[in-house]
Amino acid sequence: GAVVSQHPSRVICKSGTSVKIECRSLDFQATTMFWYRQFPKQSLMLMATSNEGSKATYEQGVEKDKFLINHASLTLSTLTVTSAHPEDSSFYICSASTGTGRDTEAFFGQGTRLTVV
Amino acid sequence: GENVGLHLPTLSVQEGDNSIINCAYSNSASDYFIWYKQESGKGPQFIIDIRSNMDKRQGQRVTVLLNKTVKHLSLQIAATQPGDSAVYFCAETKDTGGGNKLTFGTGTQLKVEL
Repeated sequence: GAVVSQHPSRVICKSGTSVKIECRSLDFQATTMFWYRQFPKQSLMLMATSNEGSKATYEQGVEKDKFLINHASLTLSTLTVTSAHPEDSSFYICSASTGTGRDTEAFFGQGTRLTVV
Repeated sequence: GENVGLHLPTLSVQEGDNSIINCAYSNSASDYFIWYKQESGKGPQFIIDIRSNMDKRQGQRVTVLLNKTVKHLSLQIAATQPGDSAVYFCAETKDTGGGNKLTFGTGTQLKVEL
């Protein structure tokens, strides 16, 4: 399958600072990328959907000004957690697909463990 | 907020036995379903998928069964191995494409005992 790489895999930041997570599709062009958050022993919850060159669509309850998503190219999307607080500590996972609709696939990154201290 | 006392359902099986992991999905309009395996600290890995026009699909050591009447999905793993230990999630979506928004189930922790 296609490869999606997330960086960093782990990050610790101080409360009040911002942290950026990158999601790259290494061997295909991803017109659509999804960002998920996963708390311990819970399922993946979709935060937002981003399409290359346009603004991200956020799920209900997700603050767009706190979780900034940029999808400036067909191989890179970034999630910036602004003014991070301990409750933002979580596992953030991206997935990338070649499009939406029938017969498309999504490929997941390995996740980023964010710890806010 | 803080989630206290949340536990993933756990299925413990002996090595070599068959495992059956169940999932109830929520949206009767969903027409594409995927099973994922997630090892600790990693992203989900695709295992097998099934479209709503099928009720069974087989892969290597895995079988997915779909019962649309009761909105139930199951994953059967034959001859379970220690490497199968992980959390398993079902996911559902519409338009028969994994590139669409996926809704994940709650997950089941599979523990394989030697």
